Amino acid sequence: GAVVSQHPSRVICKSGTSVKIECRSLDFQATTMFWYRQFPKQSLMLMATSNEGSKATYEQGVEKDKFLINHASLTLSTLTVTSAHPEDSSFYICSAIGDSPDTQYFGPGTRLTVL
Amino acid sequence: DAKTTQPPSMDCAEGRAANLPCNHSTISGNEYVYWYRQIHSQGPQYIIHGLKNNETNEMASLIITEDRKSSTLILPHATLRDTAVYYCIVRVRGGYQKVTFGTGTKLQVIP
Repeated sequence: GAVVSQHPSRVICKSGTSVKIECRSLDFQATTMFWYRQFPKQSLMLMATSNEGSKATYEQGVEKDKFLINHASLTLSTLTVTSAHPEDSSFYICSAIGDSPDTQYFGPGTRLTVL
Repeated sequence: DAKTTQPPSMDCAEGRAANLPCNHSTISGNEYVYWYRQIHSQGPQYIIHGLKNNETNEMASLIITEDRKSSTLILPHATLRDTAVYYCIVRVRGGYQKVTFGTGTKLQVIP
């Protein structure tokens, strides 16, 4: 299947700092990318959807000024958690879909811990 | 809200077939059934998808009922490495459609 990578795989930061997570589609062009957040023992929660070159569409309750999403190319999307706080600690997962393949593939996830 | 419902947990003996059900009674005509699984602390892994015909690949088989309101994922010979949370979702192929995940089924393969 297609490959989606994320970097970093885990990050620990101090409260108040910003953290950037990269999501790349390695062998296909991703017209749409999704960002999910997953708390322990819970399912994936969709945070936002972005199309290349367009502004992201955020789910209700997700602060767009806190979770900045950029989808500048067909192979790269970034999620920046601004002024992170301990309650932002979570597992962040990106997903990508294109025209070929037209199946949604997921990255390995990024574990964020805010101290 | 998720468009699918699954039992929260199932056990299966190692080497036996694991049959995981999913209900999707409100599925639209152009929506496919997709199955993913998530092993602890990893991103979801794509398994298989289908529209109305049964499908098989190297990982699993997918049986979709004739009315398309439910489906079953079959792992023919479960191994300990198949222990994971299995998610069933419905979506159109490709495109912008966002998908909400349900709670999935926690499959525990027992030695």
